[in-house]
Amino acid sequence: GAGVSQSPSNKVTEKGKDVELRCDPISGHTALYWYRQSLGQGLEFLIYFQGNSAPDKSGLPSDRFSAERTGGSVSTLTIQRTQQEDSAVYLCASSLTAVNEKLFFGSGTQLSVL
Amino acid sequence: DQQVKQNSPSLSVQEGRISILNCDYTNSMFDYFLWYKKYPAEGPTFLISISSIKDKNEDGRFTVFLNKSAKHLSLHIVPSQPGDSAVYFCAAHSTTSGTYKYIFGTGTRLKVLA
Repeated sequence: GAGVSQSPSNKVTEKGKDVELRCDPISGHTALYWYRQSLGQGLEFLIYFQGNSAPDKSGLPSDRFSAERTGGSVSTLTIQRTQQEDSAVYLCASSLTAVNEKLFFGSGTQLSVL
Repeated sequence: DQQVKQNSPSLSVQEGRISILNCDYTNSMFDYFLWYKKYPAEGPTFLISISSIKDKNEDGRFTVFLNKSAKHLSLHIVPSQPGDSAVYFCAAHSTTSGTYKYIFGTGTRLKVLA
C-alpha cells in the first residue's frame, strides 16, 4: 500500500491483559514513530526508530510499554498488563529519514481498556 | 514540561475570512517546525513546514510565520473554507540536540462557519 498501515483499527481489552499494536510504514522510510492521543489531549511522543540506530525510548510512560522494529520495517508496540489509563488512540508515523522530514501518519489504533 | 504549546483550544471563523492559529515553544534548539491537520478518526496529515533559517513559508492558502526571538509560530489560512474545519497541531524538531523526535502541541480545533 501507499500509506502507513496500522492494525487493528480498534482493540477492546480487559484490564491486566497484554496487547500488541502493529505498524507497517511506507516502504523505504527509515524512521518510524509511535505517538498516542488520549481523549482531549495532544499527540504524546512514545518512541522512534531510525535505521539501525538505538531507538529513542524517552517517551514510553512505563516499563509496561515496549516496541520493536524488525528488519527495519514493521513495528510492534506492546503494552503489558494494560490499565484503564492506557486507553487512547495509538498513532504510528514514518518518514524518509529522521531529520527535517514530514511525518506520514497511519489512521491509528483505538485502544479501549475496560 | 510542555515544550510546544497551543494556548487556544478552539477557534471559530467565518468562511472566506482569515484563520490564524498560534503556537509557542520553549526549547531554543528547535529548528524545524511543521503544521498538521487532523480530522476525526483519521491520522494527522501534513500541511506545511518551515526551517529556522526562514521566517515565512507559503503554500497556496496556507502561510506559516516563524518569529525565533519570540519562539512563536503561526499558521494563516486565507481564505478559510468549511473543509478546513479540523484540529490543527504544530510540531517542532531539533537537528542538533542528538534526538530527532518531533514534539507536538495540544492542538487547536478550528471551525469554519458557512
